[in-house]
Amino acid sequence: KAGVTQTPRYLIKTRGQQVTLSCSPISGHRSVSWYQQTPGQGLQFLFEYFSETQRNKGNFPGRFSGRQFSNSRSEMNVSTLELGDSALYLCASSLDGLQTDTQYFGPGTRLTVL
Amino acid sequence: AQSVTQLGSHVSVSEGALVLLRCNYSSSVPPYLFWYVQYPNQGLQLLLKYTTGATLVKGINGFEAEFKKSETSFHLTKPSAHMSDAAEYFCAVTFSGNTGKLIFGQGTTLQVKP
Repeated sequence: KAGVTQTPRYLIKTRGQQVTLSCSPISGHRSVSWYQQTPGQGLQFLFEYFSETQRNKGNFPGRFSGRQFSNSRSEMNVSTLELGDSALYLCASSLDGLQTDTQYFGPGTRLTVL
Repeated sequence: AQSVTQLGSHVSVSEGALVLLRCNYSSSVPPYLFWYVQYPNQGLQLLLKYTTGATLVKGINGFEAEFKKSETSFHLTKPSAHMSDAAEYFCAVTFSGNTGKLIFGQGTTLQVKP
């Protein structure tokens, strides 16, 4: 079974631009979660999507948004990029997003904001 | 608020020595606990998880962890370290109703010396 895939793997943007990251979950998984990983803040939860609906959300500004498609693929968008948005963005998929489910992580997208 | 604390951001052991990585959680409700490993430029891989049942959990690559409710701990151990165990390790927790969201500790970098 193919794992979680994320595209692109690397991105360089400038302040003020916007960016869209893509995540394809494991086949059959309906829940997709997004995390931001930085050296200072560690791993922080952004949001979770299930059946095309945002079901849970972390403490990030509205510049961070996402969506999920009917095939469970998910995209994350960051508008008006700031230097502090430079990070590794990880997505994870699980069967139903339940507490007992294992989240399987993709390799991440490394975003650099100049 | 629920949180996870990993004691020691860096742990160094000799090859063949015992590995002990510490994790304590704070919660007023029953936790679901996970240990993940991250190799450079990769996503996170699940080592083991505790949901319910037996408090001693065995995972991949010879790792195990014991859930101790009285100590609010979930320490990760491996009897004999191997060079390939060098990586960053994350303890994570979630709770009933908290769909798709893992709360991570700050991580512990394990160095294995020959």
